[in-house]
Amino acid sequence: DVMMTQSPLSLPVTLGQPASISCRSSQSLVERDGNTYLSWFQQRPGQSPRRLIYEVSNRDSGVPDRFSGSGSGTDFTLKISRVEAEDVGIYYCMQATHWPRTFGQGTKVEIK
Amino acid sequence: EVQLVESGGDLVQPGGSLRLSCAASGFPFNFYWMSWVRQAPGKGLEWVAILNQDGNEKKYVDSVRGRFTISRDNAKSSLYLQMNSLTAEDTAVYYCARDIQRTGDVWGQGTMVTVSS
Repeated sequence: DVMMTQSPLSLPVTLGQPASISCRSSQSLVERDGNTYLSWFQQRPGQSPRRLIYEVSNRDSGVPDRFSGSGSGTDFTLKISRVEAEDVGIYYCMQATHWPRTFGQGTKVEIK
Repeated sequence: EVQLVESGGDLVQPGGSLRLSCAASGFPFNFYWMSWVRQAPGKGLEWVAILNQDGNEKKYVDSVRGRFTISRDNAKSSLYLQMNSLTAEDTAVYYCARDIQRTGDVWGQGTMVTVSS
């Protein structure tokens, strides 16, 4: 299985400051069709996961533009330009290029 | 409103069986692949199974293959997960998710399965 490694696992952030989460895969996530199936999810306390980003950098409808995704191959990043209180939660990356789909361990974002 | 509502979670003894359901509304159910994803208490996410629009192409994670069966009824806009030979390691919240761009864009609220004697 493809291993997804996130860092850091805990991320205390000051309100209004930027935050960055790294996600690395044990294999390239570039599919034969040329797409890279790397997504990011947010899970607020007590809630279901919510997709933020798909195919590396495509932001879902309704997701604030302070969230952005980037990367290629095996190295990916989720950035929050200015953290707000509602961004508290656990963030997961997930690859769907290889079966089974696999998630990172999760990064817990909290306010300092 | 696009919505997925899971049901069927319960407390079951090791070795027992359970059938989960997911009722979809607000979108053409038969257009989409559908998945089950689970989350053990205090743990991360695990993609369990996926099923295509017609129900004839399905994939499972190794830990459930041969014990779990994913199925759907497009006439009822419903997704199912039949779980047999349950063990404590299957204890989790089970989410159904609509699949697009090879990822879940809509998730249900989840249903809790507890395997314990």
